[in-house]
Amino acid sequence: GNSVTQMEGPVTLSEEAFLTINCTYTATGYPSLFWYVQYPGEGLQLLLKATKADDKGSNKGFEATYRKETTSFHLEKGSVQVSDSAVYFCALTNSGYSTLTFGKGTMLLVSP
Amino acid sequence: EAGVAQSPRYKIIEKRQSVAFWCNPISGHATLYWYQQILGQGPKLLIQFQNNGVVDDSQLPKDRFSAERLKGVDSTLKIQPAKLEDSAVYLCASSILAGGRETQYFGPGTRLLVL
Repeated sequence: GNSVTQMEGPVTLSEEAFLTINCTYTATGYPSLFWYVQYPGEGLQLLLKATKADDKGSNKGFEATYRKETTSFHLEKGSVQVSDSAVYFCALTNSGYSTLTFGKGTMLLVSP
Repeated sequence: EAGVAQSPRYKIIEKRQSVAFWCNPISGHATLYWYQQILGQGPKLLIQFQNNGVVDDSQLPKDRFSAERLKGVDSTLKIQPAKLEDSAVYLCASSILAGGRETQYFGPGTRLLVL
């Protein structure tokens, strides 16, 4: 079956530090990959997505590259801000099916 | 464009009581999803509707959970009777169509505490 594994948090960084949140997956076929972000007290928001191998998704300074050879979709940002503090979820869907399989989430805490 | 609306935002009930949640998806979105998010975990799909028909309810505990989407727009999710382990955030999401590349848009969720 499908599964997503994320690095455990919390990840604690100072403002302007470099961010990496690791995500690996197991899936049949050719999944689409997503990063969602959940700010305190809010619902999930799509941050970025990639639908085929070697695609790079990017948004708000975040980016992630779909690596089929390593079954990974790591999230990166060059310089984090306090406002980036949130929980980040890696997720996938199988081609043709829209059911999202989520990882457990990684909390990011950015201090000034 | 208005987002996915959910109500109530918070609910506290005692075990064995009943509770219902409401969701209004983004206008024009044919596909609607209900997810359960237990603290410290990622959301898990409970049920998926395409218009007013059920596409996937394989993970819905049908002995106590039920959901409907009348007229293919709003949806309600009911728990009867509630158990302690039902304490979670219930998220509603919608997408224009079903399919692996479709983006799902989430509502703010209903936080349920069962005592």
